[in-house]
Amino acid sequence: DAKTTQPTSMDCAEGRAANLPCNHSTISGNEYVYWYRQIHSQGPQYIIHGLKNNETNEMASLIITEDRKSSTLILPHATLRDTAVYYCIVPRSFQKLVFGTGTRLLVSP
Amino acid sequence: DVKVTQSSRYLVKRTGEKVFLECVQDMDHENMFWYRQDPGLGLRLIYFSYDVKMKEKGDIPEGYSVSREKKERFSLILESASTNQTSMYLCASSLRAGQFFGPGTRLTVL
Repeated sequence: DAKTTQPTSMDCAEGRAANLPCNHSTISGNEYVYWYRQIHSQGPQYIIHGLKNNETNEMASLIITEDRKSSTLILPHATLRDTAVYYCIVPRSFQKLVFGTGTRLLVSP
Repeated sequence: DVKVTQSSRYLVKRTGEKVFLECVQDMDHENMFWYRQDPGLGLRLIYFSYDVKMKEKGDIPEGYSVSREKKERFSLILESASTNQTSMYLCASSLRAGQFFGPGTRLTVL
C-alpha cells in the first residue's frame, strides 16, 4: 500500500465539523483513497472512498487535493458516537487493505 | 445492509487445540478476508479469497489455513493454537469498493 501519514489523535467538540487529514504523497494515478473507522470493540466500518473528485455520502465528505498527495475526511456535525479510530488507506492491490495506526478522534460534549 | 457474522464473539482455547473461526456474509460477495488485530500493530491480513475454493496468502499466513467451500462462508483454521495467536480476529467481505467487517472474535489461547 502507498504509505499514509495521519495525526495520532484529534479532538473535536460535539456539533462541530471534524476534519481529519491524511498525507499520501506516493499515491499513483489509479489508486483510490479509502477511509474506515473503528469504534471501540467493534469491527472496522467503511466510510467513503475516492479517486480524484470530492465525494460525499450520508456519513462524510472526502476532499482530495488536486495533486492527490493528501486528503481530508470531513464529518460535518460530529456526535459523541463518532468517537473512533479513523484509518486512511491507499491500497496497491485490489481489495487488499493495510490498516495503519490511524487517528484517534475524541468528540467531547 | 450487508451483514457479516462471525460464529463467536469470545473464544478461549488451549495450546495445541485445533480452532475453527467461521464467517458468513449474506450479500453474495465474491471477496472475503481474515485479519487479526493486535494493539500497536493495527489490522494485518492473514488470508483472503476471491472465489469459492480460491485463496491467497496475506501478510501473516503462518500458523493459519482457510477454507471456502461456499460463497457465503469463509473459515479460518488454527491447526495447533499457540499463545501468540491470542488476538482479535476480524472477517470482511466485499464485492468491489469497500470491505464490510464482522463484529470480530476475541480469541484467547491459554
